[in-house]
Amino acid sequence: AQSVAQPEDQVNVAEGNPLTVKCTYSVSGNPYLFWYVQYPNRGLQFLLKYITGDNLVKGSYGFEAEFNKSQTSFHLKKPSALVSDSALYFCAVRDPSNAGNMLTFGGGTRLMVKP
Amino acid sequence: DTGVSQNPRHKITKRGQNVTFRCDPISEHNRLYWYRQTLGQGPEFLTYFQNEAQLEKSRLLSDRFSAERPKGSFSTLEIQRTEQGDSAMYLCASAGGGIYGYTFGSGTRLTVV
Repeated sequence: AQSVAQPEDQVNVAEGNPLTVKCTYSVSGNPYLFWYVQYPNRGLQFLLKYITGDNLVKGSYGFEAEFNKSQTSFHLKKPSALVSDSALYFCAVRDPSNAGNMLTFGGGTRLMVKP
Repeated sequence: DTGVSQNPRHKITKRGQNVTFRCDPISEHNRLYWYRQTLGQGPEFLTYFQNEAQLEKSRLLSDRFSAERPKGSFSTLEIQRTEQGDSAMYLCASAGGGIYGYTFGSGTRLTVV
């Protein structure tokens, strides 16, 4: 069975500083990995995905994520945080052998960017 | 609006009542998913449709829950005899072919009192 762990419930960072939101996964084969962001009382918005190829994936709003197969990690990063980045972030994994394309989500990490 | 639409946005119901939510996916998407998100948690998979066929259901989906997608277009999720533990955000998502992420709707927040 596939699973995702987001070890930090909350990450605090000052505006302008780099940010990292951690994610590790467990899946039987080569994973498809995703990051979503959720603002209050809203659905999830897609940020970026890793399917294959370059380990560094660039996404929306200046975010990027690095796939590390040996560490089974897919950490979300941004070089310079904005106050408007404050939100809930979810990492998700899909097992490619899963024909239904169901995603398994982590528990989420709240990002707080302070001015 | 070409996104995923969910109605209602909020629903407050008394314990024991039945509720029904609707999801209108992106028109060209053949896959439709329902997820449940409780406070402070990530979304949990409930069920999945490909066109009108319901292909998978989670163990979370008790016999009080039923979902339909007639004609492969919109979908409904019904909860019978609601319980306080059903209080959550119910998220719908749709996806086209290929290995892409979903497009989520804004969700329906259910409060059972």
